[in-house]
Amino acid sequence: GDSVTQMEGPVTLSEEAFLTINCTYTATGYPSLFWYVQYPGEGLQLLLKATKADDKGSNKGFEATYRKETTSFHLEKGSVQVSDSAVYFCALSEGNDMRFGAGTRLTVKP
Amino acid sequence: DAGVIQSPRHEVTEMGQEVTLRCKPISGHNSLFWYRQTMMRGLELLIYFNNNVPIDDSGMPEDRFSAKMPNASFSTLKIQPSEPRDSAVYFCASSFSYEQYFGPGTRLTVT
Repeated sequence: GDSVTQMEGPVTLSEEAFLTINCTYTATGYPSLFWYVQYPGEGLQLLLKATKADDKGSNKGFEATYRKETTSFHLEKGSVQVSDSAVYFCALSEGNDMRFGAGTRLTVKP
Repeated sequence: DAGVIQSPRHEVTEMGQEVTLRCKPISGHNSLFWYRQTMMRGLELLIYFNNNVPIDDSGMPEDRFSAKMPNASFSTLKIQPSEPRDSAVYFCASSFSYEQYFGPGTRLTVT
């Protein structure tokens, strides 16, 4: 069945460092892809999305490009801030069936 | 819009007691999802409803768990009897298309 695999954490970076969190997927059809973020004590929030191949989702300085040829949707940010410390989940959806990755914990130190 | 509303935010109960978690989805959304999150197992889908009808309950761990959606604006997840291994954060999410919007969660502790 459809699934998502994302890089294991935790990831620790210094402020202003470049961030990449890898995500790859397997799907039988043409899923939509998402990144969600979970701050401590809160629910998951949609960070960005892409609905078809070569789409780029972006929000709050984060970007991810839907790469069908490599079945990937890697999350990137050019300069992280302490406030970006959270758990990031990659997910795919075909209709109502949404599959989440295991989550990657990011800690950004000043 | 207030977003997805869950209550209570925290629940502490003793083993064997009945627990009821509540969710109010975003108005206009036609799908509702219940998830459980633990350190060991991550985020697990328990059940989801479409237009108030349960579509997939294969994630419900056992008969002690039940969920209802009597109308488009309310759903409950009940655990009876509760056990310590049910301790987790339970999230409700709703959607209209393929994006899911999560509530803040209910942290359940069963002692």
